[in-house]
Amino acid sequence: AQSVTQPDIHITVSEGASLELRCNYSYGATPYLFWYVQSPGQGLQLLLKYFSGDTLVQGIKGFEAEFKRSQSSFNLRKPSVHWSDAAEYFCAVVPHGSGNTGKLIFGQGTTLQVKP
Amino acid sequence: EPEVTQTPSHQVTQMGQEVILRCVPISNHLYFYWYRQILGQKVEFLVSFYNNEISEKSEIFDDQFSVERPDGSNFTLKIRSTKLEDSAMYFCASSEESNQPQHFGDGTRLSIL
Repeated sequence: AQSVTQPDIHITVSEGASLELRCNYSYGATPYLFWYVQSPGQGLQLLLKYFSGDTLVQGIKGFEAEFKRSQSSFNLRKPSVHWSDAAEYFCAVVPHGSGNTGKLIFGQGTTLQVKP
Repeated sequence: EPEVTQTPSHQVTQMGQEVILRCVPISNHLYFYWYRQILGQKVEFLVSFYNNEISEKSEIFDDQFSVERPDGSNFTLKIRSTKLEDSAMYFCASSEESNQPQHFGDGTRLSIL
């Protein structure tokens, strides 16, 4: 079945430490891939996207993500986490295909807690 | 930077009542969406709207739900007879093209009593 999986429901890292949030997808063709962040009481903000080309994409707030076709993964990384990065992170895809309406399929989300 | 705006931010309604959630998408966007997020769960797609008609809807989007773009700026979601399980955060989103990133509003928290 087509799906987006974020294996880690909750992650805690220390401020200044590196971060990697995992995302795997299960679709026949590589979909369009996105990472969104949701701070408490806020909407979803786009961090970065991958459509094609260079498999390492840069986003806002110092985030990057790497697309690995062989692993069907699109993991989000940040070299040094700041306390303000504490939020919920969602991986999402728009499946390729005819009649594509742009429907976003979201993973369950990963809650990031940052320790001082 | 242009934003998607949603009103109200919080709506409390008695079960069985009708509710209308309002959204103003970004002005040059052509594709419009509603999603919902039940507390503690993931964000779920409800409906997409393009060229003044629904282009896709999920199983959640049953006959109790409808969407409308009554003028050139607003995009509304109506729930005709609300149920307790409709309690959720509802997000509106818009994009220039179907494969372009969607911009989200801050959501409307709907509480059904």
